[in-house]
Amino acid sequence: DAKTTQPPSMDCAEGRAANLPCNHSTISGNEYVYWYRQIHSQGPQYIIHGLKNNETNEMASLIITEDRKSSTLILPHATLRDTAVYYCIVRVGASMTTDSWGKLQFGAGTQVVVTP
Amino acid sequence: NAGVTQTPKFQVLKTGQSMTLQCAQDMNHEYMSWYRQDPGMGLRLIHYSVGAGITDQGEVPNGYNVSRSTTEDFPLRLLSAAPSQTSVYFCASSYNVGKWNTEAFFGQGTRLTVV
Repeated sequence: DAKTTQPPSMDCAEGRAANLPCNHSTISGNEYVYWYRQIHSQGPQYIIHGLKNNETNEMASLIITEDRKSSTLILPHATLRDTAVYYCIVRVGASMTTDSWGKLQFGAGTQVVVTP
Repeated sequence: NAGVTQTPKFQVLKTGQSMTLQCAQDMNHEYMSWYRQDPGMGLRLIHYSVGAGITDQGEVPNGYNVSRSTTEDFPLRLLSAAPSQTSVYFCASSYNVGKWNTEAFFGQGTRLTVV
C-alpha cells in the first residue's frame, strides 16, 4: 500500500472549517483513500473514503486531486468533540489475493485540536 | 448490534504469564484483525483473519498467537508476557472479503500492562 504524509498537528477554531491535508504521491490506480479518526483512548472511527471523485457524508467531505497524489479532509463546522488524531490511509480495495486486502497501515496521523 | 466487543478493558500481567484477549463481533464480518498501539504512535497490525480457519501474520506477530474457529470470535493469545508487550490492543472487523470499498469497525481497546 502507498504511504501517506500528514502534518503532525493543527489547530482549528470551533465553528470553523478544518482542512486536513494528506499527501499520497505513490498511490496506485486501485488504491482508495480512507480517513479514520481516533478520539483519545478510543478505538479508531471510520470517517470517509474515496477513489477518484470527491465524496461527502454526514461527517465530512473528501477532496481528491485530479492526479490523486493528494487529498483534503474537510470538517465543515468543527466542534470540540472533533478533537482527535486523524489518519489518512491508502489501501487496496480488492485483490486477487487476500494478503493485502483489508490491511490498514496507520501512520502517526494529524493531531487536531479544536479550540473554543 | 453490539459491534466489536473486546474484553477485558484493562489487564495487568506479570512477566511470563499468559493470557487471552477476547474479541467478538456480531456483524457477520469475515475479516478480523488485531492491532497494537504504543504511546504516541499509530496502530500496528499483529495478526489478521479472512475467515474461519484462516489466519495470517501482520507487521508485529512475534509473541502472539491467534485462531479463528468461528466467524464471530478472534482471540489473541499472549504466550509469555513481556514488558515490551505493554500496549493498547484493538480488534477490528470488516465486511466480507472481496468487497471493493469497506470500512473497518474497531473495538474500544484492551489496555495491557506487563510488569
